[in-house]
Amino acid sequence: DAGVTQSPTHLIKTRGQQVTLRCSPKSGHDTVSWYQQALGQGPQFIFQYYEEEERQRGNFPDRFSGHQFPNYSSELNVNALLLGDSALYLCASSQDLRSSTDTQYFGPGTRLTVL
Amino acid sequence: ILNVEQSPQSLHVQEGDSTNFTCSFPSSNFYALHWYRWETAKSPEALFVMTLNGDEKKKGRISATLNTKEGYSYLYIKGSQPEDSATYLCAFRGYSGAGSYQLTFGKGTKLSVIP
Repeated sequence: DAGVTQSPTHLIKTRGQQVTLRCSPKSGHDTVSWYQQALGQGPQFIFQYYEEEERQRGNFPDRFSGHQFPNYSSELNVNALLLGDSALYLCASSQDLRSSTDTQYFGPGTRLTVL
Repeated sequence: ILNVEQSPQSLHVQEGDSTNFTCSFPSSNFYALHWYRWETAKSPEALFVMTLNGDEKKKGRISATLNTKEGYSYLYIKGSQPEDSATYLCAFRGYSGAGSYQLTFGKGTKLSVIP
């Protein structure tokens, strides 16, 4: 089992550009969540996808959007990049999360640098 | 806005010492409390998910306790080893509303074990 995979590992963009990050969930998982970890902070919830729809969203602007495909993989898109978007972006997968004991399993993250 | 606090922010211990850290979270609308271990350049690794007041979990030399009424959890490491060096994150999952599916993380406790 490959676990949660993310691509690319690192990315450098300039202000105003757009970026797409990708995530493949752990085998058997159907739910994907995205988190942003800025320097010195804990991971912050961006949104979660289940059954190809955004199920829940954190306090992030509309510049952050996502998609989930029929094979449960997911993309995170960020438009009009700002310097403050520089962070580590983590993807986590889980099985539906209807049970209180369900666990989210994380990928290694994509490090985004905005210049 | 949910507030999850971890203390200390960092600590250094000698190999063989036992240590513990604290996670404080809202005592209302509690659903679950997660602990993760995050080694540099790796994915966060799920340690425990705790759901019941008074819960105690153990994995090798690491254990955790939970007090949902007062809103805190302790993580203990017995006989620290250099391979325990990592950042330990706790994450709160609320029962309803905006907190139903997302994890709200603390900033983590960075542990360094000196050989």
